[in-house]
Amino acid sequence: AQSVTQLGSHVSVSEGALVLLRCNYSSSVPPYLFWYVQYPNQGLQLLLKYTSAATLVKGINGFEAEFKKSETSFHLTKPSAHMSDAAEYFCAVSEAGTALIFGKGTTLSVSS
Amino acid sequence: DAGITQSPRHKVTETGTPVTLRCHQTENHRYMYWYRQDPGHGLRLIHYSYGVKDTDKGEVSDGYSVSRSKTEDFLLTLESATSSQTSVYFCAITDGSGANVLTFGAGSRLTVL
Repeated sequence: AQSVTQLGSHVSVSEGALVLLRCNYSSSVPPYLFWYVQYPNQGLQLLLKYTSAATLVKGINGFEAEFKKSETSFHLTKPSAHMSDAAEYFCAVSEAGTALIFGKGTTLSVSS
Repeated sequence: DAGITQSPRHKVTETGTPVTLRCHQTENHRYMYWYRQDPGHGLRLIHYSYGVKDTDKGEVSDGYSVSRSKTEDFLLTLESATSSQTSVYFCAITDGSGANVLTFGAGSRLTVL
């Protein structure tokens, strides 16, 4: 069965610092992997997705994630945090034809 | 925005009353999903549909039923609401091709007193 573990329910960074949000997955077949972002009182918006093409995936707002099969990881990074990045971030996994399974989320706080 | 709307957006009800949440899409997508979001639990799948009258259970389906009588509408019903069903409910859609990317509605916040 698929599963996702997001390490750290809350991450705090200073503006301009590196953002690193961790996600590990479990899947019996090559997975599809996703990062979604949720701003306060809004729905979820797709940041980026991995679909077995390039292992380094670039998304919106300067975020990127790297698929590492050997580590079963799909960590999200951004070189320089901005105040507007403060939000909740969800990692998700699916296999072909199955519903997405989400992690429990990581809240990113950005201080000036 | 993708054509997906949820109604009502906010609802307060009392324990034991029935509640129906509606998800409406204009994308003609085959797949529709209901998730609930709770602090510390992320999003958990309640039910999903892969076509008209074709539905299946997710991991937290107890106490919920769904119906899909036409492509554009997916209804989630709480037959007798309980306080544990206080949550934010999200509908999502996808055409099911490729990576199965979901597009989400804005959510329905339900409070059961």
